[in-house]
Amino acid sequence: DIQMTQSPSSLSASVGDRVTITCRASQSISNYLNWYQQKAGKAPKFLIYAASSLQSGVPSRFSGSGSGTDFTLTISSLQPEDFATYYCQQSYDTPGTFGQGTKVEIK
Amino acid sequence: QVQLVQSGAEVKKPGASVKVSCKASGYTFTSYPIHWVRQAPGQRLEWMGWINGGTGNTKYSQKFQGRVTITRDTSASAAYMELSSLRSEDTAVYYCARDGPLSATFDYWGQGTLVTVSS
Repeated sequence: DIQMTQSPSSLSASVGDRVTITCRASQSISNYLNWYQQKAGKAPKFLIYAASSLQSGVPSRFSGSGSGTDFTLTISSLQPEDFATYYCQQSYDTPGTFGQGTKVEIK
Repeated sequence: QVQLVQSGAEVKKPGASVKVSCKASGYTFTSYPIHWVRQAPGQRLEWMGWINGGTGNTKYSQKFQGRVTITRDTSASAAYMELSSLRSEDTAVYYCARDGPLSATFDYWGQGTLVTVSS
């Protein structure tokens, strides 16, 4: 299985901060990389697919980049509703494995 | 609007089986695959398998092969996930999710079903 590793595992940030989360795949996955947001006790929410395509309805402050093995999720100006855990997921191969998550907390 | 509504929480004994349902609405059920993903307490999300809503073809993660069965009922616009030979490590929240804009992306999710395995 392809291993997905996120960094950092957690971070503290303030409203208005620019936040960057990194995801690394154990082998090249082209741009088959997706991002999800999960709030405590809730189902994940689909944010970005194909590394950089924003899902309909997702605010433009979210963006993604990367290809091959290294990817990033950027939140340009953190809002109160963005405090959550973020997961990357590869859809290059079955099973579609997830990263361990990055928890974004309030500083 | 697209909605996936799952059945309620279950408590099972080790060795038993559990069957979770996922009822879809707001779209043509047969046009999209449904995936099942689980999340054990404090753990990452884990893909279990999927079913083609139209053909009924399935594919399972090797980790669960032989223990998981995913079915669907097109007349009810529902998918089902049955997991057998339960052990304590299967305690998790189980989600169904619709296949998204690219294969094996998950654009809409059910609310989750907590399955607790305990003697």
